[in-house]
Amino acid sequence: DAGITQSPRHKVTETGTPVTLRCHQTENHRYMYWYRQDPGHGLRLIHYSYGVKDTDKGEVSDGYSVSRSKTEDFLLTLESATSSQTSVYFCAISESSSGDNEQFFGPGTRLTVL
Amino acid sequence: ILNVEQSPQSLHVQEGDSTNFTCSFPSSNFYALHWYRWETAKSPEALFVMTLNGDEKKKGRISATLNTKEGYSYLYIKGSQPEDSATYLCAFISTGNQFYFGTGTSLTVIP
Repeated sequence: DAGITQSPRHKVTETGTPVTLRCHQTENHRYMYWYRQDPGHGLRLIHYSYGVKDTDKGEVSDGYSVSRSKTEDFLLTLESATSSQTSVYFCAISESSSGDNEQFFGPGTRLTVL
Repeated sequence: ILNVEQSPQSLHVQEGDSTNFTCSFPSSNFYALHWYRWETAKSPEALFVMTLNGDEKKKGRISATLNTKEGYSYLYIKGSQPEDSATYLCAFISTGNQFYFGTGTSLTVIP
């Protein structure tokens, strides 16, 4: 299994509070991704990173920011959580950004915003 | 926003039956198509990475074909087993390196 961990695995928070989710990899892969998974929508890309301090927006980036200060860590921040951000969040990594390479997924973080 | 559609949404088959599902995607700006298998309470795992029109890939009893000109891919499972029960996701990768996942086909194999 690819070495990808996510923390926390579960979190309950209140509307308006800041939340940071962490993705950590031990594979030294350059590319890292954050997705959210919601019923009826499948996996939707929030942000991705193509190197340290290099990030770009995905399909559903509004309300989220990311940071990558080290190769192994990719942080997803909800500056002011809303109930619409209740979801399961998955981190993924790949050796390159091209579609030639599969993505390896972390175990997921279940976030509930009350 | 780009539309990737999978059909059927869910499927129940008897053990030993063969089955197939479809992933439909835009025929323009195509770079690659991935198939993932997602078991309950686990993370998605890659089955196939396909990039060329006419590609056919096989892994054991599971195979996939790709038609980029008409924008579809088929996933086939021969002789379904209970351990094949999972959600099967496809992902369209555009020439801009954006990943767009379908909503998946949920397969249940009844012993």
